[in-house]
Amino acid sequence: DAKTTQPPSMDCAEGRAANLPCNHSTISGNEYVYWYRQIHSQGPQYIIHGLKNNETNEMASLIITEDRKSSTLILPHATLRDTAVYYCIVRVAGSNYQLIWGAGTKLIIKP
Amino acid sequence: KAGVTQTPRYLIKTRGQQVTLSCSPISGHRSVSWYQQTPGQGLQFLFEYFSETQRNKGNFPGRFSGRQFSNSRSEMNVSTLELGDSALYLCASARQETQYFGPGTRLLVL
Repeated sequence: DAKTTQPPSMDCAEGRAANLPCNHSTISGNEYVYWYRQIHSQGPQYIIHGLKNNETNEMASLIITEDRKSSTLILPHATLRDTAVYYCIVRVAGSNYQLIWGAGTKLIIKP
Repeated sequence: KAGVTQTPRYLIKTRGQQVTLSCSPISGHRSVSWYQQTPGQGLQFLFEYFSETQRNKGNFPGRFSGRQFSNSRSEMNVSTLELGDSALYLCASARQETQYFGPGTRLLVL
C-alpha cells in the first residue's frame, strides 16, 4: 500500500472550515483514500473515503486532486469537539485491512 | 446498529501473566482486525481474521495470537506479558470497503 504524508499539526478557529491536506503521490489506480480521526484515548472514528471523485457526508468533504496524488479533508464548520488526530490512509480496494498508519495530523480547534 | 464492542475496557496485569481480550464486531461484519497503539510506535497492525481464518499478520512475536469464532466474535491472547505490552488494543470490524473501530482495551503491565 502507498504511504501518506500529513503535516504533524494544524490550528483552526472554531466555526471556520478546517482543511487537512494529505499527500499520497505513489497511490495506485485501485487504492482508496480513507480518513479517520482519533480523539484522545478513544478508538479511531471513520470519517470518509473515496477513490477518484470528491465525496461528502454528514461529517466532512473529501476533495481528491485529478491526478489523485493528494487529497484534502474539509470539516466545514469546526467545533471544539473536532480537536483530534486525523489520519489519512490508502488501501487497495477489496484487499485485506493490513493498513499502514502514519502519525497523522493533530488538529486543534481554538475558540 | 450497535458498534464494535470490546471487553474488558481496562486491565492491569503483571509481567509473565497472560491476557485474553474480546471483540464483538458489528452485526454482519466478517472481517475483524486487531491493532496495538502505543505512544512511541503509534497504531500497528497485529492480525486480521475473516470467516474464522487469519488472513494477514503483522510483525509481532508469537506471544500474540488470536482467533475468530463462527459468529465473527474474536479474541486475542498475549502470553508471557512484558512491560512493553502496555498499550491500547483496538479491534476493528469491516464490511465491504469500510472498517469501524471499537473503543479499545487499555492494558497496563506492571
